[in-house]
Amino acid sequence: DQQVKQNSPSLSVQEGRISILNCDYTNSMFDYFLWYKKYPAEGPTFLISISSIKDKNEDGRFTVFLNKSAKHLSLHIVPSQPGDSAVYFCAAPSYGKLTFGQGTILTVHP
Amino acid sequence: DAGITQSPRHKVTETGTPVTLRCHQTENHRYMYWYRQDPGHGLRLIHYSYGVKDTDKGEVSDGYSVSRSKTEDFLLTLESATSSQTSVYFCAISAQSEGTDTQYFGPGTRLTVL
Repeated sequence: DQQVKQNSPSLSVQEGRISILNCDYTNSMFDYFLWYKKYPAEGPTFLISISSIKDKNEDGRFTVFLNKSAKHLSLHIVPSQPGDSAVYFCAAPSYGKLTFGQGTILTVHP
Repeated sequence: DAGITQSPRHKVTETGTPVTLRCHQTENHRYMYWYRQDPGHGLRLIHYSYGVKDTDKGEVSDGYSVSRSKTEDFLLTLESATSSQTSVYFCAISAQSEGTDTQYFGPGTRLTVL
């Protein structure tokens, strides 16, 4: 039972354009979400989060949107840069544990 | 960067041998976690600890055991390694303060079981 799903295994974007990474969840009790970024041979690093009391959170080029009625969140990266090429995971905490999506490989072409 | 180290960083072993992976933190955080990352599965929780000598199972705990005798160290043991345990293992820590549940990850250990 996958409670957090990232249905797009990969995404390819041109430098300077917008990258949109999607995440769906099934557990309506989730009230906080996080995005992590992972480069090869490194551990995941925390990128941005959003609480369910908000529908948007912005940090520089990164914005996360939350649609609670659709149980959907998305991460927007504008403008995309080649250094953004990585695997992106969404995650939701519950009772001190994180449930992760499968990840989306983002490739930004120069 | 959060003060988390993992050792070894790479290990190749044979089926049936015991393996212990170590996670060490310098942040004095209460919570520590072990995950494995496999293609198509994201990160899956193996075991976690919420204090010294306090541990609990995660989603994929079969074949793994853990121990935490000090706040700074969390050990993951594969009693008898199998090829299905070939994976990249990540340790994470969390202060669980401010209600954010943000976890910070170590650099990972790549384990190959032949």
